[in-house]
Amino acid sequence: QKEVEQNSGPLSVPEGAIASLNCTYSDRGSQSFFWYRQYSGKSPELIMSIYSNGDKEDGRFTAQLNKASQYVSLLIRDSQPSDSATYLCAAYGNNRLAFGKGNQVVVIP
Amino acid sequence: DADVTQTPRNRITKTGKRIMLECSQTKGHDRMYWYRQDPGLGLRLIYYSFDVKDINKGEISDGYSVSRQAQAKFSLSLESAIPNQTALYFCATSGGSRSYQETQYFGPGTRLLVL
Repeated sequence: QKEVEQNSGPLSVPEGAIASLNCTYSDRGSQSFFWYRQYSGKSPELIMSIYSNGDKEDGRFTAQLNKASQYVSLLIRDSQPSDSATYLCAAYGNNRLAFGKGNQVVVIP
Repeated sequence: DADVTQTPRNRITKTGKRIMLECSQTKGHDRMYWYRQDPGLGLRLIYYSFDVKDINKGEISDGYSVSRQAQAKFSLSLESAIPNQTALYFCATSGGSRSYQETQYFGPGTRLLVL
């Protein structure tokens, strides 16, 4: 089992709608969780980090963490064409960051 | 100027050649990392270094070696390149007192093609 799983295929959302991304992790000792955005051909950039159970909001982005269920999610409200990218979920544990394969989001104008 | 730089940005080499990818940072971070990214496989950690005297293997270190020449420089070498090492390589850095809360900052990447 891969440490961080992002199983959803490409997600297409209309402009202005909510995009919802999910991620599960296998290591219960994971201490912190991150969402990175990666545009095609570019490097990943951090958009959200979350360390405690519950919700964390930053602008149009909300991260949710449920350690009991080993589940992390990212909501993007009022999706914009500039949000079209691949979103990488990552979990920190054992001195390293483990990444999921990523979910592609396409925002349709 | 970019905080994390990688050279070269693109490289084509032949099977069996030794090549070196270089990473430099001006962020003053202690921790540096090398990842490779393959389509459908995501980012995988090759090596990481928490300071100049500390080098650690990641999940896919076979066929690679690294050198931490200074706090700001971390190089990745492919001793004898093979075609399945064709990938996008990223260097990343992080710093601070709590490693588990640190953001990793990525360089622009090196696209490597091994023929």
